[in-house]
Amino acid sequence: AAGVIQSPRHLIKEKRETATLKCYPIPRHDTVYWYQQGPGQDPQFLISFYEKMQSDKGSIPDRFSAQQFSDYHSELNMSSLELGDSALYFCASSLGDNHEAFFGQGTRLTVV
Amino acid sequence: DAKTTQPNSMESNEEEPVHLPCNHSTISGTDYIHWYRQLPSQGPEYVIHGLTSNVNNRMASLAIAEDRKSSTLILHRATLRDAAVYYCIRASGGYNKLIFGAGTRLAVHP
Repeated sequence: AAGVIQSPRHLIKEKRETATLKCYPIPRHDTVYWYQQGPGQDPQFLISFYEKMQSDKGSIPDRFSAQQFSDYHSELNMSSLELGDSALYFCASSLGDNHEAFFGQGTRLTVV
Repeated sequence: DAKTTQPNSMESNEEEPVHLPCNHSTISGTDYIHWYRQLPSQGPEYVIHGLTSNVNNRMASLAIAEDRKSSTLILHRATLRDAAVYYCIRASGGYNKLIFGAGTRLAVHP
């Protein structure tokens, strides 16, 4: 069965650069969530979208922005990267609310 | 604020049942209780969720206290593959936002 696809799987950027992470949800899923997981930490909710509209916002820095496109894929844009942004970034998708969320394999971002 | 409390770690032997507790004493009437687990180097994986009644699926059972202030995830026969961090999560409102707290790291011994 198709799963959540994230690209790239690994990304190395320098401080102050920008990065774009992409997420392709499971077909027919209308809700996308983004999470950040630092080394040894638990996943932290960043932002979510339902039917291409932002549905909730968590601890997402102002330097980050995200959107969901007409084909339901989502992109997380990160600017002025800092060393502390180095983390695993997970995308998840679900069908509507209160349904199980399926997570991708994550993008490992390293800022040097 | 995850608003759930779980033991930091638990251990089990292979093929034995495992009961993973979770306290959520401030839960509201509309909050669902979700359980996810995260294997090393992987994204979180859905295990089970419920509202008031006990729930069973192919992976586990979820026992919810009558007052809903606590719940227990039951793995009926632990396998080595079940070694993971287990997260008990309250999901309030629509759109299934999941706030992860500090989960329980389960070790399974052969």
